[in-house]
Amino acid sequence: DSGVTQTPKHLITATGQRVTLRCSPRSGDLSVYWYQQSLDQGLQFLIQYYNGEERAKGNILERFSAQQFPDLHSELNLSSLELGDSALYFCASSVATGGAAYEQYFGPGTRLTVT
Amino acid sequence: ILNVEQSPQSLHVQEGDSTNFTCSFPSSNFYALHWYRWETAKSPEALFVMTLNGDEKKKGQISATLNTKEGYSYLYIKGSQPEDSATYLCAFTGNQFYFGTGTSLTVIP
Repeated sequence: DSGVTQTPKHLITATGQRVTLRCSPRSGDLSVYWYQQSLDQGLQFLIQYYNGEERAKGNILERFSAQQFPDLHSELNLSSLELGDSALYFCASSVATGGAAYEQYFGPGTRLTVT
Repeated sequence: ILNVEQSPQSLHVQEGDSTNFTCSFPSSNFYALHWYRWETAKSPEALFVMTLNGDEKKKGQISATLNTKEGYSYLYIKGSQPEDSATYLCAFTGNQFYFGTGTSLTVIP
Protein backbone atom coordinates (compact mmCIF):
# COMPACT_ATOMS: atom_id res chain seq x y z
CA ASP A 1 0.00 0.00 0.00
CA SER A 2 1.60 3.25 -1.20
CA GLY A 3 -0.53 5.52 0.99
CA VAL A 4 -2.04 7.23 -2.05
CA THR A 5 -5.80 6.74 -2.38
CA GLN A 6 -7.94 7.15 -5.45
CA THR A 7 -11.70 7.08 -5.80
CA PRO A 8 -13.68 5.67 -7.39
CA LYS A 9 -11.97 2.42 -8.32
CA HIS A 10 -14.17 1.89 -11.36
CA LEU A 11 -16.37 4.28 -13.29
CA ILE A 12 -18.65 3.53 -16.22
CA THR A 13 -20.28 6.41 -18.01
CA ALA A 14 -21.65 7.44 -21.39
CA THR A 15 -20.12 9.56 -24.11
CA GLY A 16 -20.65 13.27 -23.62
CA GLN A 17 -20.76 13.01 -19.84
CA ARG A 18 -18.46 14.58 -17.26
CA VAL A 19 -16.71 12.76 -14.42
CA THR A 20 -14.45 13.68 -11.52
CA LEU A 21 -11.64 11.47 -10.28
CA ARG A 22 -10.27 12.07 -6.81
CA CYS A 23 -6.82 11.52 -5.36
CA SER A 24 -5.48 11.89 -1.83
CA PRO A 25 -1.68 11.99 -1.63
CA ARG A 26 0.49 10.35 1.00
CA SER A 27 0.65 12.25 4.24
CA GLY A 28 3.29 14.96 3.90
CA ASP A 29 3.52 14.84 0.11
CA LEU A 30 2.96 18.18 -1.58
CA SER A 31 3.05 17.13 -5.23
CA VAL A 32 0.37 15.25 -7.11
CA TYR A 33 0.73 13.85 -10.61
CA TRP A 34 -1.92 12.50 -12.94
CA TYR A 35 -1.26 9.84 -15.57
CA GLN A 36 -3.35 8.08 -18.17
CA GLN A 37 -2.79 4.56 -19.39
CA SER A 38 -4.81 3.64 -22.46
CA LEU A 39 -4.91 0.14 -23.94
CA ASP A 40 -2.86 1.05 -26.98
CA GLN A 41 -0.45 3.43 -25.26
CA GLY A 42 1.99 3.43 -22.40
CA LEU A 43 1.77 5.63 -19.37
CA GLN A 44 1.15 9.24 -20.38
CA PHE A 45 1.83 12.16 -18.08
CA LEU A 46 -1.11 14.57 -17.84
CA ILE A 47 -0.37 17.21 -15.21
CA GLN A 48 1.46 17.94 -11.95
CA TYR A 49 0.41 20.11 -9.04
CA TYR A 50 2.65 21.25 -6.24
CA ASN A 51 1.12 22.72 -3.10
CA GLY A 52 -1.95 23.93 -4.97
CA GLU A 53 -0.19 25.35 -8.01
CA GLU A 54 0.13 23.80 -11.46
CA ARG A 55 3.77 22.82 -11.88
CA ALA A 56 4.04 20.90 -15.15
CA LYS A 57 1.71 20.02 -17.97
CA GLY A 58 1.87 17.07 -20.31
CA ASN A 59 -0.45 15.83 -23.03
CA ILE A 60 -3.62 16.85 -21.27
CA LEU A 61 -6.62 17.53 -23.48
CA GLU A 62 -8.50 20.80 -23.19
CA ARG A 63 -11.57 18.81 -22.12
CA PHE A 64 -9.62 17.70 -19.04
CA SER A 65 -8.78 19.88 -16.08
CA ALA A 66 -7.35 19.35 -12.64
CA GLN A 67 -6.88 21.17 -9.40
CA GLN A 68 -5.25 20.65 -6.03
CA PHE A 69 -7.10 21.83 -2.96
CA PRO A 70 -5.72 23.39 0.28
CA ASP A 71 -5.87 19.99 1.99
CA LEU A 72 -3.66 18.75 -0.91
CA HIS A 73 -6.13 16.32 -2.38
CA SER A 74 -6.54 16.62 -6.12
CA GLU A 75 -9.33 16.14 -8.60
CA LEU A 76 -9.15 15.40 -12.31
CA ASN A 77 -12.20 16.49 -14.24
CA LEU A 78 -12.92 14.89 -17.58
CA SER A 79 -15.71 16.39 -19.68
CA SER A 80 -17.42 15.73 -23.01
CA LEU A 81 -16.19 12.18 -22.69
CA GLU A 82 -15.34 10.17 -25.78
CA LEU A 83 -14.86 6.43 -26.22
CA GLY A 84 -11.13 7.03 -26.52
CA ASP A 85 -10.99 8.44 -23.00
CA SER A 86 -11.52 4.94 -21.62
CA ALA A 87 -8.34 4.24 -19.70
CA LEU A 88 -6.76 3.64 -16.34
CA TYR A 89 -6.04 6.93 -14.61
CA PHE A 90 -3.30 6.94 -12.01
CA CYS A 91 -2.49 9.54 -9.46
CA ALA A 92 0.94 9.67 -7.83
CA SER A 93 2.41 11.82 -5.11
CA SER A 94 5.86 12.84 -3.97
CA VAL A 95 7.50 15.15 -1.48
CA ALA A 96 8.93 17.12 -4.46
CA THR A 97 9.78 20.44 -2.95
CA GLY A 98 9.62 22.00 -6.40
CA GLY A 99 11.70 19.52 -8.35
CA ALA A 100 11.01 16.18 -9.99
CA ALA A 101 13.91 14.15 -8.64
CA TYR A 102 11.88 12.45 -5.94
CA GLU A 103 10.26 9.04 -5.85
CA GLN A 104 6.65 9.03 -6.88
CA TYR A 105 4.17 6.82 -5.08
CA PHE A 106 1.31 5.62 -7.22
CA GLY A 107 -2.28 5.10 -6.18
CA PRO A 108 -4.29 2.05 -7.26
CA GLY A 109 -5.83 3.85 -10.23
CA THR A 110 -9.35 4.57 -11.45
CA ARG A 111 -10.59 2.48 -14.36
CA LEU A 112 -12.81 4.66 -16.56
CA THR A 113 -15.00 3.03 -19.18
CA VAL A 114 -16.89 5.27 -21.59
CA THR A 115 -19.73 3.53 -23.45
CA ILE B 1 7.15 14.49 -28.24
CA LEU B 2 10.26 13.04 -26.75
CA ASN B 3 11.36 9.43 -27.27
CA VAL B 4 12.24 7.17 -24.38
CA GLU B 5 13.09 3.70 -25.59
CA GLN B 6 13.47 0.53 -23.60
CA SER B 7 14.97 -2.72 -24.73
CA PRO B 8 14.36 -5.51 -24.93
CA GLN B 9 10.56 -5.35 -25.05
CA SER B 10 10.31 -8.67 -23.22
CA LEU B 11 12.62 -11.17 -21.66
CA HIS B 12 12.27 -14.70 -20.34
CA VAL B 13 15.03 -15.94 -18.05
CA GLN B 14 15.58 -18.92 -15.80
CA GLU B 15 15.53 -18.53 -12.04
CA GLY B 16 19.01 -17.60 -10.87
CA ASP B 17 20.03 -15.90 -14.12
CA SER B 18 21.23 -12.33 -14.05
CA THR B 19 19.76 -9.93 -16.54
CA ASN B 20 19.84 -6.33 -17.61
CA PHE B 21 17.68 -3.88 -19.54
CA THR B 22 18.36 -0.58 -21.25
CA CYS B 23 16.56 2.74 -21.19
CA SER B 24 17.60 5.29 -23.83
CA PHE B 25 16.62 8.93 -23.63
CA PRO B 26 17.61 12.31 -25.06
CA SER B 27 20.80 13.65 -23.53
CA SER B 28 19.61 17.26 -23.59
CA ASN B 29 17.40 18.97 -20.98
CA PHE B 30 17.92 16.09 -18.59
CA TYR B 31 16.67 16.47 -15.04
CA ALA B 32 16.13 12.96 -13.63
CA LEU B 33 15.64 9.34 -14.64
CA HIS B 34 13.17 7.14 -12.76
CA TRP B 35 12.91 3.34 -12.74
CA TYR B 36 9.67 1.63 -11.73
CA ARG B 37 8.62 -1.96 -11.21
CA TRP B 38 5.08 -2.70 -12.34
CA GLU B 39 3.41 -5.99 -11.51
CA THR B 40 0.26 -7.04 -13.32
CA ALA B 41 -2.92 -5.64 -11.75
CA LYS B 42 -0.93 -3.41 -9.42
CA SER B 43 0.46 0.13 -9.56
CA PRO B 44 3.97 1.15 -10.58
CA GLU B 45 6.38 0.99 -7.66
CA ALA B 46 9.39 3.32 -7.54
CA LEU B 47 12.76 1.61 -7.64
CA PHE B 48 15.26 4.40 -8.23
CA VAL B 49 15.54 8.08 -9.06
CA MET B 50 18.85 9.16 -10.52
CA THR B 51 20.00 12.64 -11.38
CA LEU B 52 23.77 12.74 -11.79
CA ASN B 53 25.87 11.37 -14.61
CA GLY B 54 27.63 8.25 -13.32
CA ASP B 55 25.02 7.66 -10.59
CA GLU B 56 24.73 4.09 -9.43
CA LYS B 57 21.94 2.92 -7.18
CA LYS B 58 21.28 -0.46 -5.58
CA LYS B 59 18.32 -2.02 -3.82
CA GLY B 60 18.80 -5.65 -2.87
CA GLN B 61 19.68 -7.59 -5.99
CA ILE B 62 18.59 -4.76 -8.31
CA SER B 63 20.93 -1.99 -9.36
CA ALA B 64 20.94 0.80 -11.93
CA THR B 65 23.47 3.04 -13.61
CA LEU B 66 23.08 6.34 -15.41
CA ASN B 67 24.93 7.97 -18.29
CA THR B 68 23.38 11.34 -19.04
CA LYS B 69 26.01 12.34 -21.63
CA GLU B 70 25.14 9.49 -23.95
CA GLY B 71 21.52 9.20 -22.80
CA TYR B 72 21.12 5.73 -21.34
CA SER B 73 20.50 3.90 -18.10
CA TYR B 74 20.94 0.22 -17.33
CA LEU B 75 18.92 -1.79 -14.82
CA TYR B 76 20.53 -5.00 -13.59
CA ILE B 77 18.94 -7.85 -11.70
CA LYS B 78 21.37 -10.33 -10.16
CA GLY B 79 20.09 -13.86 -9.57
CA SER B 80 16.52 -13.33 -10.81
CA GLN B 81 13.71 -14.89 -8.80
CA PRO B 82 10.15 -15.65 -9.98
CA GLU B 83 8.90 -12.77 -7.81
CA ASP B 84 11.02 -10.41 -9.94
CA SER B 85 8.62 -11.07 -12.82
CA ALA B 86 7.13 -7.69 -13.72
CA THR B 87 7.34 -4.88 -16.23
CA TYR B 88 10.22 -2.50 -15.59
CA LEU B 89 9.53 1.06 -16.70
CA CYS B 90 11.85 3.99 -16.99
CA ALA B 91 10.77 7.63 -17.10
CA PHE B 92 12.80 10.60 -18.28
CA THR B 93 12.15 13.88 -16.55
CA GLY B 94 12.84 17.11 -18.37
CA ASN B 95 10.14 19.74 -18.20
CA GLN B 96 7.60 16.93 -17.92
CA PHE B 97 7.64 13.15 -17.60
CA TYR B 98 8.14 10.76 -20.48
CA PHE B 99 7.76 7.02 -19.93
CA GLY B 100 9.23 4.21 -21.95
CA THR B 101 6.99 1.30 -22.91
CA GLY B 102 8.71 -1.02 -20.47
CA THR B 103 10.56 -4.32 -20.46
CA SER B 104 8.43 -7.28 -19.46
CA LEU B 105 10.48 -9.77 -17.45
CA THR B 106 9.34 -13.34 -16.83
CA VAL B 107 11.48 -15.45 -14.51
CA ILE B 108 10.86 -19.14 -15.04
CA PRO B 109 11.22 -21.30 -11.90
